[in-house]
Amino acid sequence: EAGVVQSPRYKIIEKKQPVAFWCNPISGHNTLYWYRQNLGQGPELLIRYENEEAVDDSQLPKDRFSAERLKGVDSTLKIQPAELGDSAVYLCASSPRPVGARNTEAFFGQGTRLTVV
Amino acid sequence: QQPVQSPQAVILREGEDAVINCSSSKALYSVHWYRQKHGEAPVFLMILLKGGEQKGHEKISASFNEKKQQSSLYLTASQLSYSGTYFCGTEIVRAGSARQLTFGSGTQLTVLP
Repeated sequence: EAGVVQSPRYKIIEKKQPVAFWCNPISGHNTLYWYRQNLGQGPELLIRYENEEAVDDSQLPKDRFSAERLKGVDSTLKIQPAELGDSAVYLCASSPRPVGARNTEAFFGQGTRLTVV
Repeated sequence: QQPVQSPQAVILREGEDAVINCSSSKALYSVHWYRQKHGEAPVFLMILLKGGEQKGHEKISASFNEKKQQSSLYLTASQLSYSGTYFCGTEIVRAGSARQLTFGSGTQLTVLP
């Protein structure tokens, strides 16, 4: 079974440019997360989807970040315009049930390493 | 709200034991443990729900003290493959029953031959 697929793996852009990341979760997983991970830090939740509904976007910087999951399957995360501080690894994860249900785990993709210069 | 992990780093020899601690200032619904190797995605180890249950995964086990809002990860007879950064994720119940999972800064574990 394929895991969580993200693309691209690496992206280098100049500041003020837009950038988009794509994620295809594991088939059948209703819950999808976008995390940002800075070097030496733990993943920081940006947004969580239950099917196509964003149920937790409280930590998403809405002035420049946006996300969508139109058909409740794959998702895109966009930054416009990008700033130097946005350099990080952006991780997508999916889960078959909401976090906290017994035996639920999140499956992470390989991530997209973004470098803003 | 970020949980605090300790120690930040630990180096041990193959076969030795290690304990990684995770504590929170908030009442917890559950604690999750993940391991991440350099350049790879975090991999799920286990989840512990409130109730003080202890779970195991091969020679890796964990406990959850709900009253103290603490969890500990125990690595017994460590193997070279255990090297990596271990993250605890703590889940609290927010207003409106929306649960939020927050990860600590990680504990870097290095197992030497």
